[in-house]
Amino acid sequence: GAVVSQHPSWVICKSGTSVKIECRSLDFQATTMFWYRQFPKQSLMLMATSNEGSKATYEQGVEKDKFLINHASLTLSTLTVTSAHPEDSSFYICSARDPAVSSYNSPLHFGNGTRLTVT
Amino acid sequence: AQTVTQSQPEMSVQEAETVTLSCTYDTSENNYYLFWYKQPPSRQMILVIRQEAYKQQNATENRFSVNFQKAAKSFSLKISDSQLGDTAMYFCAFIPTDKLIFGTGTRLQVFP
Repeated sequence: GAVVSQHPSWVICKSGTSVKIECRSLDFQATTMFWYRQFPKQSLMLMATSNEGSKATYEQGVEKDKFLINHASLTLSTLTVTSAHPEDSSFYICSARDPAVSSYNSPLHFGNGTRLTVT
Repeated sequence: AQTVTQSQPEMSVQEAETVTLSCTYDTSENNYYLFWYKQPPSRQMILVIRQEAYKQQNATENRFSVNFQKAAKSFSLKISDSQLGDTAMYFCAFIPTDKLIFGTGTRLQVFP
């Protein structure tokens, strides 16, 4: 089945630095990828929709200058947390829809997530 | 507003028994898809079952089945013959337009 690879699985960084998280679709081309954030024992909150070749669409309340999303190819989307602060510590999960399988209603394939800790 | 509500933060069930997780949602759309995802301690999101809103027949996948009541906007998940490996967070989700919206989750603990 379709696989989405997310890297790194965990990262620790110092406050003020930037961290890049990669999301790759391994056996399909993903024109659209989604980035979610999950706080401990909470649900997944959609941060933004990443569109290949165009700007990402951010959900209300998500700072686009802090969470930079780049979707330069059909198999790779990156999320960069800029000037990270301890409150950015969270679990970030990417997902992608295989356009060859079905329409927009097809289920998403999820990466394994990245645990970010900002000290 | 498009929302998903899971009113049971935690549930527990004994191994081999049956448990039902509830989910309600709100949308003005007429056609949409509903999903149940499982998130074990590994944090990997695993699709359990999905239901198309225009289909009246309830979806089933082995030990997992749903009770879909479109008029009531209810989408409950029934797990039969519960196994220890079913212990996880369960999220109800739906796609009313083009975004997957998650409920708050139900933590299910299966006891031996």
